[in-house]
Amino acid sequence: EAGVTQFPSHSVIEKGQTVTLRCDPISGHDNLYWYRRVMGKEIKFLLHFVKESKQDESGMPNNRFLAERTGGTYSTLKVQPAELEDSGVYFCASSPGTVAGRQYFGPGTRLTVT
Amino acid sequence: DAKTTQPNSMESNEEEPVHLPCNHSTISGTDYIHWYRQLPSQGPEYVIHGLTSNVNNRMASLAIAEDRKSSTLILHRATLRDAAVYYCILRDRGIGNAGNMLTFGGGTRLMVKP
Repeated sequence: EAGVTQFPSHSVIEKGQTVTLRCDPISGHDNLYWYRRVMGKEIKFLLHFVKESKQDESGMPNNRFLAERTGGTYSTLKVQPAELEDSGVYFCASSPGTVAGRQYFGPGTRLTVT
Repeated sequence: DAKTTQPNSMESNEEEPVHLPCNHSTISGTDYIHWYRQLPSQGPEYVIHGLTSNVNNRMASLAIAEDRKSSTLILHRATLRDAAVYYCILRDRGIGNAGNMLTFGGGTRLMVKP
């Protein structure tokens, strides 16, 4: 079974530019999550999709971040415009429908904003 | 999710057992105890979880105190590949959104010496 995949693995952009991160969850997993770790900090939750619906977006830092999951399959996380403090590693995870079940993480996308 | 407390770091010799402690004195009756680990340059990886009874799987064992205010992750024979940050996370099994996100703390950095 293929795991969670994320693209790109690494992105370097300038402040003010736009970047779109992609996550492909494990096939059949209704739940998709985005997390991030910014420099020196702990991994923080950003948001949670159930199929194509945003179930919880309480962790989204501001309106420069937009997440979508059209069709309930893959998800994108767009940062526009990027700021220096957005640098970090963005992780995607997926899980089947059980509440509080294990989550399967992707390898992450390292975003560097210069 | 309730807060957990873990030592910042621990050291072990290869092929020896490792006991990673976690305190969660404010755990509620509906909280599962989950352990994840993050190997260098990878996304977090599920290790094990439990509610009240001790649990074993191919990766590790989880020993839960009778009062559930603490738990210990046991790696029976540490290998170099087990060097990672280990996170103890409480997850509410209740209905609604409470159990869905993972709340990561600082974790314990395990170093394994050859």
